[in-house]
Amino acid sequence: QKEVEQDPGPLSVPEGAIVSLNCTYSNSAFQYFMWYRQYSRKGPELLMYTYSSGNKEDGRFTAQVDKSSKYISLFIRDSQPSDSATYLCAMSEGFGNEKLTFGTGTRLTIIP
Amino acid sequence: DTAVSQTPKYLVTQMGNDKSIKCEQNLGHDTMYWYKQDSKKFLKIMFSYNNKELIINETVPNRFSPKSPDKAHLNLHINSLELGDSAVYFCASSSLAGTSTDTQYFGPGTRLTVL
Repeated sequence: QKEVEQDPGPLSVPEGAIVSLNCTYSNSAFQYFMWYRQYSRKGPELLMYTYSSGNKEDGRFTAQVDKSSKYISLFIRDSQPSDSATYLCAMSEGFGNEKLTFGTGTRLTIIP
Repeated sequence: DTAVSQTPKYLVTQMGNDKSIKCEQNLGHDTMYWYKQDSKKFLKIMFSYNNKELIINETVPNRFSPKSPDKAHLNLHINSLELGDSAVYFCASSSLAGTSTDTQYFGPGTRLTVL
């Protein structure tokens, strides 16, 4: 079993829909939680990060962390075709030079 | 003004060959990483260097040898390439300053195909 599990599998939704992406993890030492977006044939780019439990909002994106359930989510409101990408959750025990443990990624397609 | 750059972008080679991938960052960061992304998009760390010193060395065959000539460069040399080495290799960098902005910045990746 992987340390970080990410679901759902490939996801296609119509433009304007709300998208929910989720990850679960087993390592209770994880303190920092990140979402990366990766466009096809590009490197991952940081979308949002959260420290410990709580919510964080940035424009159309909201990240939620529930450490008691070892569960994190990324919500995308008013989804746009430009949001079509693979979304990777990542976690670390510390920040800075700590290694990131990634989820398996969710490929999201927004249909115009 | 690319932040993290890698060369080459594509690498096609025969089994058994030795090849190198180069990475450079101009962000002034002191920590650099190599990640491997398999065909299912699973991204896994391989190595990390801080100020030219190895600080993370995951379970990677010793055919893979990272080298950091200075803190702006981290190269990856692979000996005796195998079919299973085919993947996309990403370089990343970050700062050890310990602030909330110390995220890892990724390069564009090197797509390695071993025939």
